[in-house]
Amino acid sequence: QSVLTQPPSASGTPGQSVTISCSGSSSFIGSYTVNWYQHLPGAAPKLLIYSNNQRPSGVPDRFSGSKSGTSASLAISGLQSEDEGDYYCAAWDDSLRKVVFGGGTKLTVL
Amino acid sequence: QVQLVESGGGVVQPGRSLRLSCAASGFTFSSHGMHWVRQAPGKGLEWVVLIWYDGTKKYYADSVKGRFTISRDNSKSMLYLQMNSLRAEDTAVYFCARDAASGWPRPDYWGRGTLVTVSS
Repeated sequence: QSVLTQPPSASGTPGQSVTISCSGSSSFIGSYTVNWYQHLPGAAPKLLIYSNNQRPSGVPDRFSGSKSGTSASLAISGLQSEDEGDYYCAAWDDSLRKVVFGGGTKLTVL
Repeated sequence: QVQLVESGGGVVQPGRSLRLSCAASGFTFSSHGMHWVRQAPGKGLEWVVLIWYDGTKKYYADSVKGRFTISRDNSKSMLYLQMNSLRAEDTAVYFCARDAASGWPRPDYWGRGTLVTVSS
């Protein structure tokens, strides 16, 4: 049971927008920044969003992140078939000195 | 470009040992902390361990503490994970990942992983 909770699945049709949530306690999410990873089948995981809402170079602006209170979100607009895969939120827990991952959300593009 | 290539995975019996390696290139290895993260079959990502850029600090997940040891050779741009007393629940794809080296620790670039299967 992770301290970061994600819905197990999400779906959308091409062109639509979808949002994936990541919730945690106020003492955790409120204290640390959240990162998002994309893990496509057969590929290395990829950092999509860091520090709640920053995009690394090369990540399309279709992907955006936000954080409010005890929840963070990853929004994907203009959904494409190649976006189908698993998405994880994560954060560094400085009190326990470890990276915590959410359970992951499987995104299906219908 | 940043490249991370893991090796050393395979099938091993419970209680035995295995050493994973990760060859890094495309960046100044000695300036970045490094992580190992694993994914058991059908499960999500689980962080395993972080080693600082200079090897002076190491942080382990409770599930592997006392059994796994991370090390690095900055002269060779190599990262290692010595896994002892392996258990069936250690079966997973093991990824090495570079730490971003700014802000709170976070993996940024990842390798494709190497599969470790613990089975008799």
